Amino acid sequence: DAGITQSPRHKVTETGTPVTLRCHQTENHRYMYWYRQDPGHGLRLIHYSYGVKDTDKGEVSDGYSVSRSKTEDFLLTLESATSSQTSVYFCAIRRATNEKLFFGSGTQLSVL
Amino acid sequence: RKEVEQDPGPFNVPEGATVAFNCTYSNSASQSFFWYRQDCRKEPKLLMSVYSSGNEDGRFTAQLNRASQYISLLIRDSKLSDSATYLCAVLDQTGANNLFFGTGTRLTVIP
Repeated sequence: DAGITQSPRHKVTETGTPVTLRCHQTENHRYMYWYRQDPGHGLRLIHYSYGVKDTDKGEVSDGYSVSRSKTEDFLLTLESATSSQTSVYFCAIRRATNEKLFFGSGTQLSVL
Repeated sequence: RKEVEQDPGPFNVPEGATVAFNCTYSNSASQSFFWYRQDCRKEPKLLMSVYSSGNEDGRFTAQLNRASQYISLLIRDSKLSDSATYLCAVLDQTGANNLFFGTGTRLTVIP
């Protein structure tokens, strides 16, 4: 157990509404990541953070923003959700001592 | 071109069989490789790292072939509980230190 909690676990929303997903960790890890997973594409990096207020874009960042005001929380925001953002979202942490990623349980997001 | 490519399967094998998956990667400078296991509707969980010399953990063996740019996962004496999707991952050598993942190979072990 890597001490990662994602919330909500499931969400259904309508096109055009803002959505925020939360990732909370209890082990004070510096690196945090947001991925989305879609059939045929696998896991793709959206944004990542390497410290408080330090974030950068990943492979599929368009339409997403992130914030990290505290070490333990990494928020992913869809400013105006679209149906193409229906996906499973995973948060991950990387322990500073190695390169391995450990994942949260995921959030299933449906945009109708 | 995708950074990492896997055969999606499915692989359907009987209990006790040996099965192998391969995963190719595009960046010849890649240094670190991993296999993850993902059960249906669950998060990926680290199965094992892949070292240059190969490594073994019980019934699982991971190997790296740098010349041909692929990694492999061998499962011996397959169990019903091995049924899952297996994801290979390659470390991004640029700043993010994130992992590039394959799309996964689905394994079903049949009684």
